[in-house]
Amino acid sequence: EPEVTQTPSHQVTQMGQEVILRCVPISNHLYFYWYRQILGQKVEFLVSFYNNEISEKSEIFDDQFSVERPDGSNFTLKIRSTKLEDSAMYFCASTASFRNEQFFGPGTRLTVL
Amino acid sequence: AQSVTQPDIHITVSEGASLELRCNYSYGATPYLFWYVQSPGQGLQLLLKYFSGDTLVQGIKGFEAEFKRSQSSFNLRKPSVHWSDAAEYFCAGDSGNTPLVFGKGTRLSVIA
Repeated sequence: EPEVTQTPSHQVTQMGQEVILRCVPISNHLYFYWYRQILGQKVEFLVSFYNNEISEKSEIFDDQFSVERPDGSNFTLKIRSTKLEDSAMYFCASTASFRNEQFFGPGTRLTVL
Repeated sequence: AQSVTQPDIHITVSEGASLELRCNYSYGATPYLFWYVQSPGQGLQLLLKYFSGDTLVQGIKGFEAEFKRSQSSFNLRKPSVHWSDAAEYFCAGDSGNTPLVFGKGTRLSVIA
């Protein structure tokens, strides 16, 4: 069964460093998402991406964040200069069509020291 | 603003007992509604979804949920809980013009 994959599973970084989180969505899916879950809190939407551009973003998704689909299979989330409060689990999701069920990856746990 | 509320932070049930996890939504129109499960260290797995039609929806792992418009609820149920059901359960809603909104989750513990 096709699934969304994410790498790495755990990333530890120093405050101020850049990180890139990678996702491989399900191959025939067209809509891609990033979500964040701070420990003990709910899952929060960050950004959606369709047709090679951001379709929606939340207040969390400020200028420090960017997304890219560099090669038609990967979907990346870059945090330019990490802060302590960026420590969270980051989930990638994809869906074949608008408003259909989203398939989530296993997540990347980001720890900023 | 659209919101999804899960009033119970933590529920403990005995193995074999029935389970009901509550979810209430606040949307202008009926949203699409979902229940996801997250096992420790794992991603989110879809249990079931409601788009329209029959208000009682069946999902995987023996779960079902009932959409009640009059109560703005979409409660998740299972007649007999197994120890492997211990996990975090998230209700989520999609209005069509806003991103998926999650509730805060309910942690389910199962005791022998």
